[in-house]
Amino acid sequence: DQQVKQNSPSLSVQEGRISILNCDYTNSMFDYFLWYKKYPAEGPTFLISISSIKDKNEDGRFTVFLNKSAKHLSLHIVPSQPGDSAVYFCAFLGVTGANSKLTFGKGITLSVRP
Amino acid sequence: NAGVTQTPKFQVLKTGQSMTLQCAQDMNHNSMYWYRQDPGMGLRLIYYSASEGTTDKGEVPNGYNVSRLNKREFSLRLESAAPSQTSVYFCASSEIGYEQFFGPGTRLTVL
Repeated sequence: DQQVKQNSPSLSVQEGRISILNCDYTNSMFDYFLWYKKYPAEGPTFLISISSIKDKNEDGRFTVFLNKSAKHLSLHIVPSQPGDSAVYFCAFLGVTGANSKLTFGKGITLSVRP
Repeated sequence: NAGVTQTPKFQVLKTGQSMTLQCAQDMNHNSMYWYRQDPGMGLRLIYYSASEGTTDKGEVPNGYNVSRLNKREFSLRLESAAPSQTSVYFCASSEIGYEQFFGPGTRLTVL
């Protein structure tokens, strides 16, 4: 039962342009939606999040959009920079009592060309 | 603050050998997690510990055991390693309902 789908495994954009990364999910019980960034040989690092009661959250060059009716999450990076080249994971947080667990997508490899 | 630390960084085992992966966090978080990352598979939860003294199975627990030694430390044990357990293992910690913080990972190869 695949709860999270990242349909495009890779994306290549020119420096200065917009990068749009997408995730679809099936479980409507998720409370919180997150994006993680991962460089090679490092652990994932938290990038940005949005709660289920909002549809947009901005942090500098990064904006996350949530469309609950379509069960769709996206990350916009504007302008893209070569240092943004990494693997990006969408993740979905569900809290049940004393337990909170993340469900991760398979990741999207972003390459930003100078 | 070191955040989440993991040891060792790299390990090569032969099939059938055992080993323990160590994880420690200094953020006073209640919850800790073990994941494995395989190519094209994302991060999959092996075991987690919502609080000191409790552990629960995640998505892929078979072949692993865990110990929540105290609030800071959460170890993952492979009793009899198999080639299918070749992977990169990440430990993470969090407060309930908030983002997780990850360690740098352990690259394990089982021959």
